[in-house]
Amino acid sequence: SQQGEEDPQALSIQEGENATMNCSYKTSINNLQWYRQNSGRGLVHLILIRSNEREKHSGRLRVTLDTSKKSSSLLITASRAADTASYFCATDARSGNTPLVFGKGTRLSVIA
Amino acid sequence: SQTIHQWPATLVQPVGSPLSLECTVEGTSNPNLYWYRQAAGRGLQLLFYSVGIGQISSEVPQNLSASRPQDRQFILSSKKLLLSDSGFYLCAWSPGTLYQPQHFGDGTRLSIL
Repeated sequence: SQQGEEDPQALSIQEGENATMNCSYKTSINNLQWYRQNSGRGLVHLILIRSNEREKHSGRLRVTLDTSKKSSSLLITASRAADTASYFCATDARSGNTPLVFGKGTRLSVIA
Repeated sequence: SQTIHQWPATLVQPVGSPLSLECTVEGTSNPNLYWYRQAAGRGLQLLFYSVGIGQISSEVPQNLSASRPQDRQFILSSKKLLLSDSGFYLCAWSPGTLYQPQHFGDGTRLSIL
């Protein structure tokens, strides 16, 4: 299936450290997206990277995309306790108008 | 600006009872609409999506159904709930093509007793 797979499943770091989460997928894509979910809430879209882009920044977020390896990483720099959440990647299918497929997520805990 | 409303926030229902969850979107027209279910600590399972009024695509055969009676209204229903229907239900919308970024409601926590 097209589903992205995040790695690691869970990550615990100290405040101020950087957090890196990875996503792998199986087939060609138009774009890859990252979302954040606070406990008990809906997902919030963070960033979209197109298949012809290799890196994208938004504030403390840095996303990379390697289409040859079919993988993406999300880096959160100088993490804060408020960054504690689950992070999901979502991929589309390059062919056809089909819905996004979300991975199972990485649960990030930032300890103050 | 666009907003999405989903209610209720929590719901406790007995096995065998009916279900109706409602989702509405404001500030946009002809959105794509989605219903997801999320088991505790797990990823999202797409249940249904709709690209227009009366157009429903089902991703997983199950005890649930969806309807879109108006452009910005999406309803998730069941005639008889099962214990396995428990979970966190999320509604979302997106503009344009189905792979555009999605915007989520705050979810409904459904517990079946």
